[in-house]
Parts: sequence; C-alpha cells; structure tokens
Amino acid sequence: DIQMTQSPSTLSASVGDRVTMTCRASQSISSWLAWYQHKPGKGPKLLIHKASSLESGVPSRFSGSGSGTEFTLTISSLQPDDSATYYCQQYNAHWTFGQGTKVEIK
Amino acid sequence: QVHLVESGGGVVQPGRSLRLSCAASGFTFSDYGMHWVRQAPGKGLEWVAVIWYDGSKTHYADSVRGRFTISRDNSRNTVSLHMTSLRDDDTAVFYCAKDRADCSTGSCYAMLDVWGQGTPVIVSS
Repeated sequence: DIQMTQSPSTLSASVGDRVTMTCRASQSISSWLAWYQHKPGKGPKLLIHKASSLESGVPSRFSGSGSGTEFTLTISSLQPDDSATYYCQQYNAHWTFGQGTKVEIK
Repeated sequence: QVHLVESGGGVVQPGRSLRLSCAASGFTFSDYGMHWVRQAPGKGLEWVAVIWYDGSKTHYADSVRGRFTISRDNSRNTVSLHMTSLRDDDTAVFYCAKDRADCSTGSCYAMLDVWGQGTPVIVSS
C-alpha cells in the first residue's frame, strides 16, 4: 500500500502570508495527487487534482506542484476563510490520504 | 447542482450492523464511481470503499474488508454501505463521494470531486 506523509501537522500564519505544505508518497505516484480542504461540519472540498490542476471555482491563490513522490500545496496570500485542515490524497493505486495539515490564522 | 446526502448514521452497539445510504442528484449517477470515506474523532480522513459506475467492481480498505459491503442502485441514484460486526474503532463520520476519472494517459485514475456532508456513526455499548 502507498503511504502518504504530510508536513507540518499544524501551521500558524497571518493573513496575507505565503503558506506552503508538503506531501510525500512512499513510492512514485506520478502526478496522481489531489489536495482537499476540510472544514468542521462540512464535506471535504477538492482544490487541486493531478498535482497542479486547479479545480473549477477554486481561488487562484491555491496552487500545487510536484511529481513522483514529493508534492506541495501553496496558498499565495492566506485569507481568513482558508482556516481548515488540508489533506493530500494519492489516486495512483486505490486511494490513500495523508494525515492532514491544520492551518490556523494568527 | 451536484448534491450528495448521507443518511442512516446513529448509535449502535459493538458487534451489531448498520446500513448507510447516500442519495445523489444533479448528475448522471450511473456514469460515476462512488466512494465512502470516514473520519474518526480527532483523526484524519480514511478511504473505506469504492464501487464502479456499473457496480461491476468493488474495493475495500483492509480495515473493513469482510465486514463492510458497498452497493448501489442506479435506478434510485443511491449508494449504500452495509456495515457488520461493528467495533469501537469504526466510530466516525462517514462521507460518500463521487469520483471523476482522468483517462488522458490511456489508463484511468479517479479523484473524489464532490462530497456529502457526512453522517455520524457511534459504536458504543
């Protein structure tokens, strides 16, 4: 099974900051990686698919990069509404989530 | 507008069974694979099961294989998860999700593009 490891587990930043989080796969998954935003009481929201493709309707401040085993999600200018937990997920072989990165606003 | 609504969650004793349902609307249900994903209290997301668009194939996480069964009724636009031999560690919010396949490379890879709000399952005596 492919394992996904995210870092950091928690991230605290100010409004307007550039924020980056990392996801690492235990083996190559090519670009078959998605990023989701999850807020309490709601279903997760797809932000990025195929490592770097922005889902329709998602603000352009979100961007993804990487391939193989190393991936990043960047928020170019953090907004109050971005307070959430972010999960990466591989879909190269079945489906596996990382453990999440919680983003807090200072 | 694509919409998924889960139901059937509740409190159940260890060892008992429970059936979750997910009602879909706003898209051609029979064209898409459907998944169940769960989140235990204080934990991250865990993928649970998938059923192919036509019901021909299913896959399960090791943690539920042999205890949970995913099924679908394309005439009613619903997907279900029948859970048996429930354990304390099955306590979670269960989400259903629709997938969307990318077949640009010749093989198909499916992300989960729309999710429901979830239904809670509490396994407790």
